[in-house]
Amino acid sequence: DAGVIQSPRHEVTEMGQEVTLRCKPISGHDYLFWYRQTMMRGLELLIYFNNNVPIDDSGMPEDRFSAKMPNASFSTLKIQPSEPRDSAVYFCASSPLRGTGVMNTEAFFGQGTRLTVV
Amino acid sequence: AQKITQTQPGMFVQEKEAVTLDCTYDTSDPSYGLFWYKQPSSGEMIFLIYQGSYDQQNATEGRYSLNFQKARKSANLVISASQLGDSAMYFCAMKDGNQGGKLIFGQGTELSVKP
Repeated sequence: DAGVIQSPRHEVTEMGQEVTLRCKPISGHDYLFWYRQTMMRGLELLIYFNNNVPIDDSGMPEDRFSAKMPNASFSTLKIQPSEPRDSAVYFCASSPLRGTGVMNTEAFFGQGTRLTVV
Repeated sequence: AQKITQTQPGMFVQEKEAVTLDCTYDTSDPSYGLFWYKQPSSGEMIFLIYQGSYDQQNATEGRYSLNFQKARKSANLVISASQLGDSAMYFCAMKDGNQGGKLIFGQGTELSVKP
């Protein structure tokens, strides 16, 4: 498997523009996570899905952020309108559900999307 | 609510020596999993090691071992025989039964290995 694939790898946009980040999880994985990484706040969980259903979006900073998972092989994180403080690295990760449950399954991370809002 | 704390923002270690990176956690659920990840300067997140709350023995993976002290709620990562390539950010993370598959991370520790 190619691993978790994120696109684009880098995105530079102007304040006020809509930004869409894309993620293809590893085939067969049941969980998908979106994280944001900044120097100030570290690695924050924004939202995660189980079997395409959003389970916990309490980390989504505000209504400008939205995430969807229309099928098991694709997810998007959208920011509309974008602001300079949204500049960060956004990671997508996926995790399988093994026979013994979900506690022992690590998350596999994509390479991240570095977003710069100017 | 689950919480992960890494109190060492930065650490230095001499090449070939062992180093311990601290991690404490908090959860009310008896079933949980603890993970360590490495993030080199290139930015990718690399899974290193896992410890389950019911595991009787400390986890080991090559030069990595986990010093799991359940009563103290600590899960420190021990790297033996440090190498220059170990210089990176290290993150402790946790899932617990109350939160299903939710995986949260500590603030990280930046490790620098000196030649």
